[in-house]
Amino acid sequence: EAGVAQSPRYKIIEKRQSVAFWCNPISGHATLYWYQQILGQGPKLLIQFQNNGVVDDSQLPKDRFSAERLKGVDSTLKIQPAKLEDSAVYLCASRTPGGPYNEQFFGPGTRLTVL
Amino acid sequence: EDQVTQSPEALRLQEGESSSLNCSYTVSGLRGLFWYRQDPGKGPEFLFTLYSAGEEKEKERLKATLTKKESFLHITAPKPEDSATYLCAVRGGANNLFFGTGTRLTVIP
Repeated sequence: EAGVAQSPRYKIIEKRQSVAFWCNPISGHATLYWYQQILGQGPKLLIQFQNNGVVDDSQLPKDRFSAERLKGVDSTLKIQPAKLEDSAVYLCASRTPGGPYNEQFFGPGTRLTVL
Repeated sequence: EDQVTQSPEALRLQEGESSSLNCSYTVSGLRGLFWYRQDPGKGPEFLFTLYSAGEEKEKERLKATLTKKESFLHITAPKPEDSATYLCAVRGGANNLFFGTGTRLTVIP
């Protein structure tokens, strides 16, 4: 079974520029998450999708971050404009439908450096 | 508010030297405590889910236990390939994972 795919793996941009990350979850996984992991910290949830609808985006800085999941499969996370403090690894995860106890599977992440 | 505290922040062990990692948590309506392993440059890899106090799960040299306030990840006779950051997370009423900052384990040959 193929895992969660993310691209690009690395991105370096200047502050105030825009950047987009792409995620393809495991086939059949209705729930998709985007996390931000700052160096030395645990992942922090940014947004959760159930199919193509947003379930929780309370931690998403909506003035600069946006995310969409068209057709309930792939998802894109965008930052516009980027700030220095956005330097982090952006992780995508997916989970099977069903009960709340099953685990999430993570992709390899996109490491963003903002200069 | 959900809270997860992991200790120690870093741990160095000699190969074969057993030890335990701690995860203390505060959550409203625990729907699972999760342990993940994260290698440098990779996403977290799922290890265990624990649902209720008293539960234990094992996988190779790892054993996870759960009480009402904390979880332990016991590592028996570790090998260098067990070196990684171990993350603990809880799922509460919000149905999302809330992670601790992790324990960075180094096993020296």
